[in-house]
Amino acid sequence: DAGITQSPRHKVTETGTPVTLRCHQTENHRYMYWYRQDPGHGLRLIHYSYGVKDTDKGEVSDGYSVSRSKTEDFLLTLESATSSQTSVYFCAISENGGRAGGTGELFFGEGSRLTVL
Amino acid sequence: QKEVEQDPGPLSVPEGAIVSLNCTYSNSAFQYFMWYRQYSRKGPELLMYTYSSGNKEDGRFTAQVDKSSKYISLFIRDSQPSDSATYLCAMSMYSGGGADGLTFGKGTHLIIQP
Repeated sequence: DAGITQSPRHKVTETGTPVTLRCHQTENHRYMYWYRQDPGHGLRLIHYSYGVKDTDKGEVSDGYSVSRSKTEDFLLTLESATSSQTSVYFCAISENGGRAGGTGELFFGEGSRLTVL
Repeated sequence: QKEVEQDPGPLSVPEGAIVSLNCTYSNSAFQYFMWYRQYSRKGPELLMYTYSSGNKEDGRFTAQVDKSSKYISLFIRDSQPSDSATYLCAMSMYSGGGADGLTFGKGTHLIIQP
């Protein structure tokens, strides 16, 4: 199994509070991603990183920010959580991204289940 | 029209049956096609990866791509209860992998009855 650890795995919080989810990898992969998965919507990309301090927006980035100060860590922050951000959040990593060449494989963490009351 | 359409199911079949899972898509630029398997309360994992049209076989699994019809399939032979999971199709215009240009279907929930 790819070395990806997400924390916390479960969190319940209240509307308006800040929340940070952490993804830690031991594979030294360059690319890291945050997805959310919701019934009826499937997996949707929030933000991704293509290197330390290099990040970009995905399909559903509003209300989220990210940071990557080290290769192994990618943080997702909800500055002021809303009920619409109740979801399961998955971190993923890949050795290559986009047109760089590679096997096309994303490795996913086990997910962080967030409930915003 | 969504770029990738996938019936969410659930699809329930008896053990030993042949299972057919399908996705249709609208973007003719997609060239790389993947199937991910996701067990309950786990992250998805890559099951099959194919390029362009044709078939690819791996054990009991066969992935089929028909670009002319914009239709991809995953067949599971001799299905087992351990195959019960959600299967997500994914496709990309680029060979590089990662999430650049990667579009997922919503997933089909498959149940194999013992």
